[in-house]
Amino acid sequence: DTEVTQTPKHLVMGMTNKKSLKCEQHMGHRAMYWYKQKAKKPPELMFVYSYEKLSINESVPSRFSPECPNSSLLNLHLHALQPEDSALYLCASSPRWSREDNSPLHFGNGTRLTVT
Amino acid sequence: AQSVTQLGSHVSVSEGALVLLRCNYSSSVPPYLFWYVQYPNQGLQLLLKYTTGATLVKGINGFEAEFKKSETSFHLTKPSAHMSDAAEYFCAVRDNDMRFGAGTRLTVKP
Repeated sequence: DTEVTQTPKHLVMGMTNKKSLKCEQHMGHRAMYWYKQKAKKPPELMFVYSYEKLSINESVPSRFSPECPNSSLLNLHLHALQPEDSALYLCASSPRWSREDNSPLHFGNGTRLTVT
Repeated sequence: AQSVTQLGSHVSVSEGALVLLRCNYSSSVPPYLFWYVQYPNQGLQLLLKYTTGATLVKGINGFEAEFKKSETSFHLTKPSAHMSDAAEYFCAVRDNDMRFGAGTRLTVKP
């Protein structure tokens, strides 16, 4: 059982659609992350939220819009995506976002996104 | 920035044989190192972590890793492979956020 829950598990969308990915954790973690993982590649960091504030945006195109409504929820809003955006999108959380924090990240099972 | 390098994108072993997956880190300060496993169509599951202290770290599913500062290595081992160990393995370093190596796919032959 994963302590980070992502919905939906699978999503197929057209290039003109608007959709959202959702992530939820109830471990009291104050750092939440979005990663993108292409086939046979490692996860690549997209965004980091610390205490509900965006702390890192790894030069992600604006067609990806993150949102952190509260400390337990993380959304990723998708609009006008391209076929090359098809990937596994992973959400993760950790107690804090800090160089002194040696905690592991807890990952959800991801959303498999296909853009047609 | 800290980074990790995994040597070998694919490792194949026979069931019951020793598993050795290699990871080297690049860091000017003591790093926080992790091994994760990813089964098909799933997220990443933590196997073990090194922060400070004991250099031999035991994890889940019979895996362990040894931190060797002199070699800047953090290799993952398991004495006897099982078919269920077939998966993708990622070495990672935490420096604020988590950065991953390229991954090693482990295949276990019957």
